[in-house]
This record gives sequence, C-alpha cells and structure tokens, in this order.
Amino acid sequence: KQEVTQIPAALSVPEGENLVLNCSFTDSAIYNLQWFRQDPGKGLTSLLLIQSSQREQTSGRLNASLDKSSGRSTLYIAASQPGDSATYLCGGEGGTDKLIFGTGTRLQVFP
Amino acid sequence: GAGVSQTPSNKVTEKGKYVELRCDPISGHTALYWYRQSLGQGPEFLIYFQGTGAADDSGLPNDRFFAVRPEGSVSTLKIQRTERGDSAVYLCASSLQGSNSPLHFGNGTRLTVT
Repeated sequence: KQEVTQIPAALSVPEGENLVLNCSFTDSAIYNLQWFRQDPGKGLTSLLLIQSSQREQTSGRLNASLDKSSGRSTLYIAASQPGDSATYLCGGEGGTDKLIFGTGTRLQVFP
Repeated sequence: GAGVSQTPSNKVTEKGKYVELRCDPISGHTALYWYRQSLGQGPEFLIYFQGTGAADDSGLPNDRFFAVRPEGSVSTLKIQRTERGDSAVYLCASSLQGSNSPLHFGNGTRLTVT
C-alpha cells in the first residue's frame, strides 16, 4: 500500500526566507505528482503538476521536482510571503489514476 | 463561477440516518473524484469516476457508502445508516482527463454525525 510522508509537518519562518518542503513515497513508481495548497476551511488548490514525462515544474516563486528513482519530491518556495501561509499537500499517482496524499506541511510565514 | 461546487457546505445528521452529498464538477471534466479528510490529515481516496462509470471504488470503506454519476456530470455520494466515525469533510475534485491533468477541488461538505 502506497504511503506518503511529508517533512516537516510544520514550519514557521519570517518572510523573505527560501523554503524547501519534502514529500516521499514508499513505492517510488510515481507517474504523475501534484502539489496543492489548502487554506483553512477550504478545498485544495493545485499549484504544480509534474506529469509522467517530466521531472520538474516551475510557476512564479514555486518550483517542484520529482526524483523517480527514489520516489521523492521537493517543493521550493522562493522569497516567502505571509500570503504563502497554508497547508501544503503532495499527491502522487502510480498507474491507478488516483492521487494518494500525504498529511501535509503546515506553513506559517510571519511579517 | 466555473469551479467545483459542493452542496451542502455543512450537514449535521443523527446516527443511523441517510445522507446525500452533491458535487457539481467543472463543465467538460470527465474525471471526478471523492475524497474524505479528517482533521490534520490528508485527503483519503474514496472513489473515482471516468464519465458515468466508477473506474475505481476501492476506497469506499464499506457497503454503507455508494456514489453515482448518472449523466457523467453531477455526482452524489450516498451514506446509509451513518455512524459517528463518518464525521469528516467530504471533498470532490474534477479534472479534464484524470491524474495527468490538474485536479480542481470544491470546498467540501463538512458532515457531522451526532
């Protein structure tokens, strides 16, 4: 059974810092991977999608990479801002067309 | 709006009652997913539709849970004989094709079983 670990579980930083969030899968055969943010009381918002033929995706201050040999993904947030405060979740799919999620990293960026 | 809509946003029911949760996906999205999320946890997969058919229902916890998508658009998650352990936020997501397209989530239905 696929299990997903996200490290750290929580993070509190001053604004301006560059951040690295980690996600690892017990089964490294990941085809598609998505990173999401979730604000309190809301659904998930898709941030980046790494498709099966890709290794990395970038959008603005966000960069995500996937190492398919180890089943590990990293989300890099540059120059963090208070508006980045949210829970970040990774979801991976290993040939079943359904995403399996980690428990998330709760991020707080203070001014 | 053009996003995924879930109704109701909150549902309180008594143990043993029947509930229906509705999901309106983004128009044109063939893939529809139901997840369940408990406090402090990530979403837990329940069921996945491609068009009208359930492509994968392996996440449904038991036969009290059932979901339909009769016309390939709106979906309803049905829970019979609700139990207190069913209390959670039920999330619906849709995507253009499946997991190789971005998933768009609704804001969820918070179900409380008393």
